Amino acid sequence: EVQLVESGGGLVQPGGSLRLSCAASGFTFSSYEMNWVRQAPGKGLEWVSYISSSGSTIYYADSVKGRFTISRDNAKNSLYLQMNSLRAEDTAVYYCAREDLLRCFDYWGQGTLVTVSS
Amino acid sequence: SYELTQPPSVSVSPGQTARITCSGDALPKQYAYWYQQKPGQAPVLVIYKDSERPSGIPERFSGSSSGTTVTLTISGVQAEDEADYYCQSADSSGTTYVFGTGTKVTVL
Repeated sequence: EVQLVESGGGLVQPGGSLRLSCAASGFTFSSYEMNWVRQAPGKGLEWVSYISSSGSTIYYADSVKGRFTISRDNAKNSLYLQMNSLRAEDTAVYYCAREDLLRCFDYWGQGTLVTVSS
Repeated sequence: SYELTQPPSVSVSPGQTARITCSGDALPKQYAYWYQQKPGQAPVLVIYKDSERPSGIPERFSGSSSGTTVTLTISGVQAEDEADYYCQSADSSGTTYVFGTGTKVTVL
């Protein structure tokens, strides 16, 4: 059974940093591209970042470019999102999502809440 | 930046048909995908590659595409279909993914 479990969310002050993790199981993690998607309270879904299966190709949404860094450790079946210079508008539930060969997000984690507030 | 536009809400009686549109300039070049999200839950893929249905998704869910608009159709709507629905695609370069603005389906 495919499982994605996010962790690392919490309350952080504006300008602070946080590192999210996503532990994957039930599939060959190193064969799949992965993404982070977020959802602000009461708002819609927003794609955040993409990383290829090897980690060699990375994309970011303009809203996080230069502040967030996506990475992965295929030996540990884990995906990460390093978030720096956090702003109030980064407050959201952050989901990791597996991208299948058809370029869609076929499995999602349960999400981890990040709150940026003083 | 690239945007996908959906109607904010659609209301439908049980057993009737709900249609949700999603418009975007790059849709003729990029596939669209549809997700269902119920309160407090992660999204679930219901349509991929414009019109394909994943295993386990009821046949009442279908998708279509015409020019810059894709449509999710729910035939014979059931109470359990009440949820938010999002389309998703990529920009013309394929390096930026985007979700639609979301549509709340209310079953009357």
